[in-house]
Amino acid sequence: DAGVIQSPRHEVTEMGQEVTLRCKPISGHNSLFWYRQTMMRGLELLIYFNNNVPIDDSGMPEDRFSAKMPNASFSTLKIQPSEPRDSAVYFCASSVRGGGTTGELFFGEGSRLTVL
Amino acid sequence: AQKITQTQPGMFVQEKEAVTLDCTYDTSDQSYGLFWYKQPSSGEMIFLIYQGSYDEQNATEGRYSLNFQKARKSANLVISASQLGDSAMYFCAMRERNFNKFYFGSGTKLNVKP
Repeated sequence: DAGVIQSPRHEVTEMGQEVTLRCKPISGHNSLFWYRQTMMRGLELLIYFNNNVPIDDSGMPEDRFSAKMPNASFSTLKIQPSEPRDSAVYFCASSVRGGGTTGELFFGEGSRLTVL
Repeated sequence: AQKITQTQPGMFVQEKEAVTLDCTYDTSDQSYGLFWYKQPSSGEMIFLIYQGSYDEQNATEGRYSLNFQKARKSANLVISASQLGDSAMYFCAMRERNFNKFYFGSGTKLNVKP
């Protein structure tokens, strides 16, 4: 089975440019999470969706960040304009909510973003 | 208040010995799940073990076991017979049932010495 697929794996961009990170969750999973990981702040939850609906976006740092989930198999995280402090690894993760499962998160391999 | 607390930023263990990684959590929910993840230097997040709040037995998965003490709100990970490949960052996490939100601790970096 394919896992969570993220693209791009690496992105280097200049300050002020728009960045779009993409995620394809595992088929059948109904929850999707975006995390950011840095040495200073660890793993931060940015936003999560249940059944394609954003439930909690309180972790989104600023209006420069936005996330969408237009359907069950695709989500994007957009940063516009990007700043050097946005440099981090961005993880997408999906899980099954309910149904008697343990509901563990399945993580993608991450997108490493460097903003110069 | 922190939902998940991992008080050991770094730990060393001798190969083949057992090691305990501490985790305490904070919740008022009766139904929740506790998870441990491993993140090797390559960066991927690997699910290790799960404990449900209603599970009476401690969870075990191979060399991993979870020492669940509900009254103390602790969920320590025990790794038996440590191997060099166990050197990694370990994260404790909790999911509260009502909100389906995952909270992660700050992690413990484990180094296994030969």
